[in-house]
Amino acid sequence: GQNIDQPTEMTATEGAIVQINCTYQTSGFNGLFWYQQHAGEAPTFLSYNVLDGLEEKGRFSSFLSRSKGYSYLLLKELQMKDSASYLCAVPGGATNKLIFGTGTLLAVQP
Amino acid sequence: DSGVTQTPKHLITATGQRVTLRCSPRSGDLSVYWYQQSLDQGLQFLIHYYNGEERAKGNILERFSAQQFPDLHSELNLSSLELGDSALYFCASSVGQGAGNTIYFGEGSWLTVV
Repeated sequence: GQNIDQPTEMTATEGAIVQINCTYQTSGFNGLFWYQQHAGEAPTFLSYNVLDGLEEKGRFSSFLSRSKGYSYLLLKELQMKDSASYLCAVPGGATNKLIFGTGTLLAVQP
Repeated sequence: DSGVTQTPKHLITATGQRVTLRCSPRSGDLSVYWYQQSLDQGLQFLIHYYNGEERAKGNILERFSAQQFPDLHSELNLSSLELGDSALYFCASSVGQGAGNTIYFGEGSWLTVV
């Protein structure tokens, strides 16, 4: 089966950098996704990592270490609108059903 | 706007009733997924269809059923509703069915059971 762990909540300051960690256990690895979800809204796709290393996409970067079962999402130059839940997810086996962690609620303060 | 359309956006109904939630996937997507999100829980996978056929099932209750039609739209039927079924129900879609396909979510249908 799959198991995903993320911190429940984090707080950061506007303009700063924050790193949101995710550890996972899965039988057969098929990549790792990050989604952003504002309260009551749809999750929106941020990134997909299948190879080790860092992938940068504007202010957001995502890192993967398959040997350690570990990923992080790095948010730079934080803005108030970045206050949201950040969800780590892995495919459940060969099928594409995404198994989500409970998410990390990020609060950006002025 | 992800391109995934869900109706209705909000629904209030009584216990014991039955409701149908509808989803139109993004143009060109053959896979449709249904997720449930309660206030105190994360996104829970319910079911996955690809080109009309069921591909994977999560912890979907027997009172719930779904199908994907030839035009690729999908419906999630919830029957004998209980208070605990109150949640945000998301539909999502992707091009393919294999692991690693990015899935895109609709805005969700808020279901309140009273």
